[in-house]
Amino acid sequence: DVKVTQSSRYLVKRTGEKVFLECVQDMDHENMFWYRQDPGLGLRLIYFSYDVKMKEKGDIPEGYSVSREKKERFSLILESASTNQTSMYLCASSLGGDILNTEAFFGQGTRLTVV
Amino acid sequence: AQKVTQAQTEISVVEKEDVTLDCVYETRDTTYYLFWYKQPPSGELVFLIRRNSFDEQNEISGRYSWNFQKSTSSFNFTITASQVVDSAVYFCALSEYYGGSQGNLIFGKGTKLSVKP
Repeated sequence: DVKVTQSSRYLVKRTGEKVFLECVQDMDHENMFWYRQDPGLGLRLIYFSYDVKMKEKGDIPEGYSVSREKKERFSLILESASTNQTSMYLCASSLGGDILNTEAFFGQGTRLTVV
Repeated sequence: AQKVTQAQTEISVVEKEDVTLDCVYETRDTTYYLFWYKQPPSGELVFLIRRNSFDEQNEISGRYSWNFQKSTSSFNFTITASQVVDSAVYFCALSEYYGGSQGNLIFGKGTKLSVKP
């Protein structure tokens, strides 16, 4: 089974802190994604990566950056956390390459609260 | 621009009722895939089905069925004889190829289904 693991289930951080959310997948997938999920807004794409060291902005990249130094790991970075970044963060991976039809596999989510 | 619309925010039914979750999409591509995911209260999204843009056959899997109609850009999901365990948020998603970055999933806002005993 494909496994996507997010490092924390719950996280509480202070305003202004630098926050790292880590995600690891074990199926050699090319694509990795970071979404945030908010009530009434569904899942919104923050960043995605289709290869090591490659990244592309999603719909809401402001205030976030990402890092993909190894194929299996995709990190989301909040440079200076703010209260409006309190949310559920979901990491996902998919096979990628020229294969368009593969579904994405999701981690269990990290509920981040910024106080 | 690509977009997925789930007009129903919340639906509440009584066990054993049939329920249909609507999904309408917009895309500029001729090649694309549609997906449904389930998010139970535990939070992890679970893949249910994929359908490619060239295959308009309806699909049935147990109590679940999907109706894909390109003419109306819709990919609706029906649960027959609903059960309490079907209570979850259901997301419709679209994957298309554009600009060399393929496989990006665009999600609708989700429909929260509550099935009462």
